[in-house]
Amino acid sequence: GESVGLHLPTLSVQEGDNSIINCAYSNSASDYFIWYKQESGKGPQFIIDIRSNMDKRQGQRVTVLLNKTVKHLSLQIAATQPGDSAVYFCAERDSGNTGKLIFGQGTTLQVKP
Amino acid sequence: NAGVMQNPRHLVRRRGQEARLRCSPMKGHSHVYWYRQLPEEGLKFMVYLQKENIIDESGMPKERFSAEFPKEGPSILRIQQVVRGDSAAYFCASSQGLGGQPQHFGDGTRLSIL
Repeated sequence: GESVGLHLPTLSVQEGDNSIINCAYSNSASDYFIWYKQESGKGPQFIIDIRSNMDKRQGQRVTVLLNKTVKHLSLQIAATQPGDSAVYFCAERDSGNTGKLIFGQGTTLQVKP
Repeated sequence: NAGVMQNPRHLVRRRGQEARLRCSPMKGHSHVYWYRQLPEEGLKFMVYLQKENIIDESGMPKERFSAEFPKEGPSILRIQQVVRGDSAAYFCASSQGLGGQPQHFGDGTRLSIL
């Protein structure tokens, strides 16, 4: 069945370092992917998205890379800050026509001062 | 610009009672999605609605759960005769359309069943 999963449940980085959060997806027909950040007690916050016709997309301090050959997605955060501490989810849009998202389990990012 | 608004933020119910969760989408958004999140897990899709129509309810239990998005007013997720297993965070998201536009989430309703 379709699934979206993250390689590591927790990632601990030093403040100022770069962070890389990985995600594997199984549906090769998926054409749209999103990264969300969720802080405790809040809803998922949109970070960045990418369509399947792209390999890379950059935002402010964040970059998403998409490797369709191995069905792998990653989120890179440059100069990680304490405020980046949260759970990060990748999500793929279902290949049907409803736009519903399939979420992975999440990676907890801990930033050490 | 107000984001997706959900209320109540916290809801406590006893087994057998009804729970009503409300969601007002972002201005200009006509697509509403409901997701459920258990502790330490990702979000699971429940239902997708447009104004006055349920488009996809494949993730919503057939019994006790219903959803609506009337012409006027917020979208409502209704759970009848709640059981302990319904305890979770329920999130609503909205989007402008389906064409590669991100869904924006509210801060959820945390439902606790005593």
